[in-house]
Amino acid sequence: AQSVTQLGSHVSVSEGALVLLRCNYSSSVPPYLFWYVQYPNQGLQLLLKYTTGATLVKGINGFEAEFKKSETSFHLTKPSAHMSDAAEYFCAVGSAGRRALTFGSGTRLQVQP
Amino acid sequence: NAGVTQTPKFQVLKTGQSMTLQCAQDMNHEYMSWYRQDPGMGLRLIHYSVGAGITDQGEVPNGYNVSRSTTEDFPLRLLSAAPSQTSVYFCASSIQGETQYFGPGTRLLVL
Repeated sequence: AQSVTQLGSHVSVSEGALVLLRCNYSSSVPPYLFWYVQYPNQGLQLLLKYTTGATLVKGINGFEAEFKKSETSFHLTKPSAHMSDAAEYFCAVGSAGRRALTFGSGTRLQVQP
Repeated sequence: NAGVTQTPKFQVLKTGQSMTLQCAQDMNHEYMSWYRQDPGMGLRLIHYSVGAGITDQGEVPNGYNVSRSTTEDFPLRLLSAAPSQTSVYFCASSIQGETQYFGPGTRLLVL
């Protein structure tokens, strides 16, 4: 079985500040890990993913995440928040051969001017 | 490529009515899935398919039926709508275990 916990349903940062969105997962097999972003009234768009190899992965819009197996974490970061980053972010876990993803409950990011 | 398309974008139903949410993809993906999104609950898997003629239940399958007669299409049927099925529905497709590509969603309101 797989599960995802996203700590903090709402995160608020100032424009230019560091963005840190937390994700912890549980998986009995080597995980594939994903971050998706959802803008209002839109579908989900892939930000970045980890399958194998380098544990620090870079995604679109300046976001990156680091897979830490010992901590079962895959936190999303961005050095400097922009107003356009305001959205809901979902962490998800899958695995090789698995048919679908398990999603966390989401974190809504607000960026204050 | 159009990617994953969903119709309709918005639908209002009365309790007990039936309807079909359409989903199509043009990426020749084997895997297709239906999720529902409710506030504070993320996305929950309803049904999925690993290829034409093969479907299986996800986390919340009750009240929904699916079929997969072609690789491209994966419709979701509500046989007798209930207010608890008010939600936003997303269809997704992928290659096994890899990135899921999502459609724009269907907002369903059941009165």
